[in-house]
Amino acid sequence: NAGVTQTPKFQVLKTGQSMTLQCAQDMNHEYMSWYRQDPGMGLRLIHYSVGAGITDQGEVPNGYNVSRSTTEDFPLRLLSAAPSQTSVYFCASSRPPGTANTGELFFGEGSRLTVL
Amino acid sequence: DAKTTQPNSMESNEEEPVHLPCNHSTISGTDYIHWYRQLPSQGPEYVIHGLTSNVNNRMASLAIAEDRKSSTLILHRATLRDAAVYYCILRDLNYGGSQGNLIFGKGTKLSVKP
Repeated sequence: NAGVTQTPKFQVLKTGQSMTLQCAQDMNHEYMSWYRQDPGMGLRLIHYSVGAGITDQGEVPNGYNVSRSTTEDFPLRLLSAAPSQTSVYFCASSRPPGTANTGELFFGEGSRLTVL
Repeated sequence: DAKTTQPNSMESNEEEPVHLPCNHSTISGTDYIHWYRQLPSQGPEYVIHGLTSNVNNRMASLAIAEDRKSSTLILHRATLRDAAVYYCILRDLNYGGSQGNLIFGKGTKLSVKP
């Protein structure tokens, strides 16, 4: 079972460059989200989606765009990378409330991004 | 959003039980108590969750105080693989769009000594 797959695992960018972090899940989960984790910190929510075609902002959305054209995929775009976006990014998925095993988030292994 | 308080770090010896505490004095009636752990260089991993009653699964047990203002994650026999950061999180039953604003604090870093 693949679960939540993130690519790339590592990326180095120069300030001002753009890139897309990919996230795919094969569990048919409606809910997907992106978090970032800075050294010694907990995870902070960037953007989330409750289904295909629906996205919304989390706690720290500035500098990031998302789209959700399919249930499986939820890419995160950095339009103009800044050193402050150096972080580890995690994608997660889950079932909506009221379904079996409600509450469990499944996370990818993370994408480590460095912006020089 | 309701917050949780955990010790920054704890140590345990291998094959001994570990009790990881969490305080959540402002918990609401619809908040579930969730525990996740994050092994080094990996994404967080679900451990267990509960509402009012104590819960057991293959990974751990969750003991919830009667007034629900605190809880304890119990690892019955710590192994070296259990060394991780453990997060105690409150998640509203009706978590809706933002997944209940799942707020990850800094968690408790558990070290396991052989």
